[in-house]
Amino acid sequence: NAGVMQNPRHLVRRRGQEARLRCSPMKGHSHVYWYRQLPEEGLKFMVYLQKENIIDESGMPKERFSAEFPKEGPSILRIQQVVRGDSAAYFCASSPAGSRGEQYFGPGTRLTVT
Amino acid sequence: QQPVQSPQAVILREGEDAVINCSSSKALYSVHWYRQKHGEAPVFLMILLKGGEQKGHEKISASFNEKKQQSSLYLTASQLSYSGTYFCGTEIGSGGGADGLTFGKGTHLIIQP
Repeated sequence: NAGVMQNPRHLVRRRGQEARLRCSPMKGHSHVYWYRQLPEEGLKFMVYLQKENIIDESGMPKERFSAEFPKEGPSILRIQQVVRGDSAAYFCASSPAGSRGEQYFGPGTRLTVT
Repeated sequence: QQPVQSPQAVILREGEDAVINCSSSKALYSVHWYRQKHGEAPVFLMILLKGGEQKGHEKISASFNEKKQQSSLYLTASQLSYSGTYFCGTEIGSGGGADGLTFGKGTHLIIQP
């Protein structure tokens, strides 16, 4: 039973480029969460999605960041016109429908903006 | 509001016990505990719901005091594999489960042989 998959594992972008991070939840999970982690910091919630719906995006920066979880395919976190401050580890987690909320994390994507 | 974890770091000898605390200024619906090793994903340990739960997972257990708005993680007879950073993640208010979590800054645990 495959866990949460994220790709790429490492992504290097120049300032001004776009970054696309992908997350495939565990089989049978319909809830997806995105978190950002800076070095020596805890995880910061960004967005919570279900298939074709954004449930809570209270942690997403208002500009340049967007997320989707289409009916088919992985969830995508998109960062447009990246800046150095976007460099971080981005983790995706998933949980099953009707759960009490236990979340299972993917291996993360480490984004470096040069 | 970010929960506060204490201590920030602890160094133990193998076999010793440790307690990690997580406090919130807001009423909590649930507390989630995770362990993260350097460069890896956080690993789910357990979830506690309001109602004053206590749970166990091998030699790792936790309690949740709803009134005090805090949770404690207990590691007994620690093993080398317990080393890592422990995070609590909290869900406030009426919850209902399956919300985004607010994580503390973590407690670094180092187990020495």
